[in-house]
Amino acid sequence: QLQLQESGPGLVKPSETLSLTCSVSGGSINTDSYSWGWIRQPPGKGLEWIGNIRSSGTTYTNPSLKSRVTASVDTSMNQFSLRLSSVTAADTAVYWCATYTRAQRFFAYWGQGTLVTVSS
Amino acid sequence: DIQMTQSPSSVSASVGDRVIITCRASQDVSSWLAWYQQKPGKAPSVLIYGASRLQGGVPSRFSGSGSGTDFTLTISSLQPEDFATYFCQQSNSLPLTFGGGTKVEIK
Repeated sequence: QLQLQESGPGLVKPSETLSLTCSVSGGSINTDSYSWGWIRQPPGKGLEWIGNIRSSGTTYTNPSLKSRVTASVDTSMNQFSLRLSSVTAADTAVYWCATYTRAQRFFAYWGQGTLVTVSS
Repeated sequence: DIQMTQSPSSVSASVGDRVIITCRASQDVSSWLAWYQQKPGKAPSVLIYGASRLQGGVPSRFSGSGSGTDFTLTISSLQPEDFATYFCQQSNSLPLTFGGGTKVEIK
């Protein structure tokens, strides 16, 4: 069974760049069966899809965030990463990485989530 | 973007009750609809995918139905461990979008 673990700073200053990495264990990230996604949830609110990336590097990004999002994948490290630039308080949220099954189209495995607070 | 509207936003129910949660899409999503359960401080976990397919390991008291724009999640006999928030999510087209959530609370 796949396991995912987010890592990165829990506090980011306004206007700076949020950077998170998701480490995958229990299987290879280099597969066409899955794409690798990021979802966030502001405190007390609903879920927002940020984007997915395939092991080939092909990305799919929410247009509402597209200009600020950079996603990458490192198959040698079995990791994928998210960078969100020019953050504001509205970007404060729990960020999850998750595995998206391409055939059935749902998020099957999730990390434990990491709270990122944007504050000076 | 496809908007996903869940109702009710919260429901109070007792153990043993039948609970029905609805999810309406602003456009046809065919059967590309998943339901997730989220407990406080935890990641969501999938219950149903393909509108009606039960994910492995999920109790059979959970069921999903619908296609097109209207979907339901039914919990046939609510158990103590089912008190949680439930989200629907469409994957027919990008961007992927979630419903606002339905909180199932103890009556």
